[in-house]
Amino acid sequence: AQSVAQPEDQVNVAEGNPLTVKCTYSVSGNPYLFWYVQYPNRGLQFLLKYITGDNLVKGSYGFEAEFNKSQTSFHLKKPSALVSDSALYFCVLHGSSNTGKLIFGQGTTLQVKP
Amino acid sequence: DTGVSQDPRHKITKRGQNVTFRCDPISEHNRLYWYRQTLGQGPEFLTYFQNEAQLEKSRLLSDRFSAERPKGSFSTLEIQRTEQGDSAMYLCASSVGQGSGELFFGEGSRLTVL
Repeated sequence: AQSVAQPEDQVNVAEGNPLTVKCTYSVSGNPYLFWYVQYPNRGLQFLLKYITGDNLVKGSYGFEAEFNKSQTSFHLKKPSALVSDSALYFCVLHGSSNTGKLIFGQGTTLQVKP
Repeated sequence: DTGVSQDPRHKITKRGQNVTFRCDPISEHNRLYWYRQTLGQGPEFLTYFQNEAQLEKSRLLSDRFSAERPKGSFSTLEIQRTEQGDSAMYLCASSVGQGSGELFFGEGSRLTVL
């Protein structure tokens, strides 16, 4: 069965510090992995995706994610957090290009404090 | 604004009534998706269209739910005989082309069933 897990409900970081939001996945075959962010009263926004190629993927707003096949992980990272990064982050698995179904994790709330 | 738009943004209804949500995707996006999000959870896939064809439906989509995209442009999601468990945010998204492209989400239609 295909699944994605975000083990932390909330991550707290001080502004300027590096941040990591964790994600692990389970899929047969090669995964397509995404990170989306949801700000209050705003629609979900795409941050980045991994399809194939380099394991380090760069995305919007200075975010990046590292794909690790052996650990089945796709952690989201940023070298220096901003207060404006505070939002709800979803790790998303697209198991196959033949389906429209994205599988979302439960989400991790990122709180960046000044 | 040329993003995905959803209407209405909020709907309060009594149990047993029918409700309909509309989604206008980004023009020229051939794929359109419906997801449902409840509080504290990630979005769950309901159904998706490629042009006017409904290609996939989740088991979450009971007989009371029906979605259409008659001309391959806007889509409607109707819920008949609403139940309190239908209370959720209904999200629409669109994308272009094949496979694992980025989805563009609307801000959602929040349904409250009393």
